Amino acid sequence: AQKITQTQPGMFVQEKEAVTLDCTYDTSDQSYGLFWYKQPSSGEMIFLIYQGSYDEQNATEGRYSLNFQKARKSANLVISASQLGDSAMYFCAMREGRSGGSNYKLTFGKGTLLTVNP
Amino acid sequence: NAGVMQNPRHLVRRRGQEARLRCSPMKGHSHVYWYRQLPEEGLKFMVYLQKENIIDESGMPKERFSAEFPKEGPSILRIQQVVRGDSAAYFCASSQFDLSSTDTQYFGPGTRLTVL
Repeated sequence: AQKITQTQPGMFVQEKEAVTLDCTYDTSDQSYGLFWYKQPSSGEMIFLIYQGSYDEQNATEGRYSLNFQKARKSANLVISASQLGDSAMYFCAMREGRSGGSNYKLTFGKGTLLTVNP
Repeated sequence: NAGVMQNPRHLVRRRGQEARLRCSPMKGHSHVYWYRQLPEEGLKFMVYLQKENIIDESGMPKERFSAEFPKEGPSILRIQQVVRGDSAAYFCASSQFDLSSTDTQYFGPGTRLTVL
């Protein structure tokens, strides 16, 4: 079974609108971390936001927020007020096990290609 | 305030040659990870290293691939006798590993290896 599922291969959004990128995960661990990374066409991987499994509040970083629904095992990324520069691939990733523990591998989804239209 | 540095950014090799990919972690980070990204795919874990130690190489092919992170100098991912299937983007990440951190891995720009 896929550990990270991103069901949207591609998404389109109008500039200045909000967009939600879906991510569901599968783990039996009680402690885990969820990450979102952005990969623009230039190819680098840029860290956007982190959510720990025990964090009670949804993570926010500027225009990025993570809609964390633990019971549904979903960690959707919400980008508010989209900008042309947001056009990129977006990857959801999970680290199973607690921070600082013996688990460290990130498992990535296949990504969602976001296109922001002017 | 350099982030994770990788070089070269692009590497072209003929089948049978060796490829050496270098990674310098962020300042203050002592943990290095290598991932491979095939076209149209997400990243796949290869190996995790600390200084002078390979902690986990479970994602690395058993033959032709090796990695090191010496006491001095960058981490090296070495691919011997490259084949066309090795063509991919290779990313290095580093993290600051302690109980108070989120262990966020910060990635370098990647090395795009093309095997002719």
